Amino acid sequence: SAVISQKPSRDICQRGTSLTIQCQVDSQVTMMFWYRQQPGQSLTLIATANQGSEATYESGFVIDKFPISRPNLTFSTLTVSNMSPEDSSIYLCSVEHPGGKETQYFGPGTRLLVL
Amino acid sequence: GENVEQHPSTLSVQEGDSAVIKCTYSDSASNYFPWYKQELGKRPQLIIDIRSNVGEKKDQRIAVTLNKTAKHFSLHITETQPEDSAVYFCAASKGGGSNYKLTFGKGTLLTVNP
Repeated sequence: SAVISQKPSRDICQRGTSLTIQCQVDSQVTMMFWYRQQPGQSLTLIATANQGSEATYESGFVIDKFPISRPNLTFSTLTVSNMSPEDSSIYLCSVEHPGGKETQYFGPGTRLLVL
Repeated sequence: GENVEQHPSTLSVQEGDSAVIKCTYSDSASNYFPWYKQELGKRPQLIIDIRSNVGEKKDQRIAVTLNKTAKHFSLHITETQPEDSAVYFCAASKGGGSNYKLTFGKGTLLTVNP
């Protein structure tokens, strides 16, 4: 498996502001993923972030709202831009198995509350 | 795209009983099916997974079965314990490159009553 950390673990933000979430993994991985989990709901994929290329966004998610960086093989950031209360969710990063298999391991998540 | 249906949404069992959670998927190209357990306030934890070249996999009290023809897979937990109480998610992916992305079911809240 992999050791994954996220910062911040939680935050309370005002509407209209932006928050950048960091995801750090202890080994080099090609693929990192960002998910959203709304309260009491399942996990929805926002985008796939590969090092050295533009992130691939899922239907309903756009780069202007959720810009992603992937500067190296152990780090990624997700920014939630121009936040509204509807953005209140848990945001989780996940990484593929360091051996390149399809297994995914999740970070601890960032709990975001937008007022 | 892929669609994963999961049933039941809630399941309550007595300690020691068995629990079964079922999922169906829509894309016949999917070939990897993990199950995650999420305790309250915690991250999803992989508990078992199965690939399409295998019909059944077991790990102690947990087993997963896969029926490719019917496009459904199930999680079986035997001799349930209170610490098995959590939300369980099934997922599916097609594997390989960007196809590693997971599509999740809506989850099953399992409660094991002592």
